[in-house]
Amino acid sequence: DSGVTQTPKHLITATGQRVTLRCSPRSGDLSVYWYQQSLDQGLQFLIQYYNGEERAKGNILERFSAQQFPDLHSELNLSSLELGDSALYFCASSSGQDDYGYTFGSGTRLTVV
Amino acid sequence: GDSVTQMEGPVTLSEEAFLTINCTYTATGYPSLFWYVQYPGEGLQLLLKATKADDKGSNKGFEATYRKETTSFHLEKGSVQVSDSAVYFCALGFAGNMLTFGGGTRLMVKP
Repeated sequence: DSGVTQTPKHLITATGQRVTLRCSPRSGDLSVYWYQQSLDQGLQFLIQYYNGEERAKGNILERFSAQQFPDLHSELNLSSLELGDSALYFCASSSGQDDYGYTFGSGTRLTVV
Repeated sequence: GDSVTQMEGPVTLSEEAFLTINCTYTATGYPSLFWYVQYPGEGLQLLLKATKADDKGSNKGFEATYRKETTSFHLEKGSVQVSDSAVYFCALGFAGNMLTFGGGTRLMVKP
């Protein structure tokens, strides 16, 4: 157990639908990062939150949004889903201030049919 | 922008063979460098890291040295085991910020 919890582990949904992925960071970590891992794109950074505030944004589609709540858990919302959104979505956490790297969760596998 | 380039896989080795996975980077400034490993069906785990030039990161028999002059961070292991079969990612980052990952290299070790 890495200390970063992601739910659900698997999600199958239809095109056009909306889903919410949840991440609880490791205890004490203030920063949460979301990544998308697909076969042809590798690991793509989506967005970072630090202590409730958006800190950095990567290649995140307008159909996707995220937030970090006061208890520091984060949610990634994906709407108007397309087949190409099928991927592994990882959450990672860190203290947000040092170079010790991230701790990753085990991911949510999203399949859009 | 920052980028990381890894050798493409898969890399197929016999057990007890020597492993090298090449990684080079482009960055403004002096980032920290990382190697992550992803076993089938799991998330990424930090394997080792180095935060400044000439630092050597090591863990579980794996080593990598931060070479500023060649902007490289090659991963090595003297004797691989079947259990080392996984995907290995090289990454760079600056304190408190996102990591930039290479494309990953799949290692397959045969008994």
